[in-house]
Amino acid sequence: QKEVEQNSGPLSVPEGAIASLNCTYSDRVSQSFFWYRQYSGKSPELIMSIYSNGDKEDGRFTAQLNKASQYVSLLIRDSQPSDSATYLCAVSSGSARQLTFGSGTQLTVLP
Amino acid sequence: ETGVTQTPRHLVMGMTNKKSLKCEQHLGHNAMYWYKQSAKKPLELMFVYNFKEQTENNSVPSRFSPECPNSSHLFLHLHTLQPEDSALYLCASAQDRQGDISPLHFGNGTRLTVT
Repeated sequence: QKEVEQNSGPLSVPEGAIASLNCTYSDRVSQSFFWYRQYSGKSPELIMSIYSNGDKEDGRFTAQLNKASQYVSLLIRDSQPSDSATYLCAVSSGSARQLTFGSGTQLTVLP
Repeated sequence: ETGVTQTPRHLVMGMTNKKSLKCEQHLGHNAMYWYKQSAKKPLELMFVYNFKEQTENNSVPSRFSPECPNSSHLFLHLHTLQPEDSALYLCASAQDRQGDISPLHFGNGTRLTVT
């Protein structure tokens, strides 16, 4: 059973702070890693993808990948109340034809 | 029309009814997916179609029946559902690139309530 684990939260941070979201996965041959944001009552939307070890930055978002530790994280700088949502970590399977999702971390940014 | 569109957005059905969910993607992708999302649970992959062929069926009960007539359209036929089947049903598409897939693009989902 391929697993993706996330701290379900809720995680609360003050506006302007850095929010740190973590994800671990069990399939050592996973190649592709994604972070999705899901607002309440809405569908998931892709915010970051990362494929190689290290950091990838896109605006206020930074994804970090460490394949040796089977760990991927998402940092949100200068957090805004509009960032309040559930963040889903998704990891490609060994066959790479499907994604396995974590249960999500609920983030609340307090004004 | 762009992206992935799903209809209906909301559906209430009795346990003896038969209904269908529809999904259409306008992204030129070659793979389509049905996911189920229940409260407090991870997204559950139900069915995968690559190049119109069903490649995955994750032990889904037979009361759910998928149909993929072409690479742009996907249906989920529902019959004799149970109240525990109430959930958000999400369609997604991606590009299967011979050993890896692009990110999934999700539709807005169908909120299903079984009474």
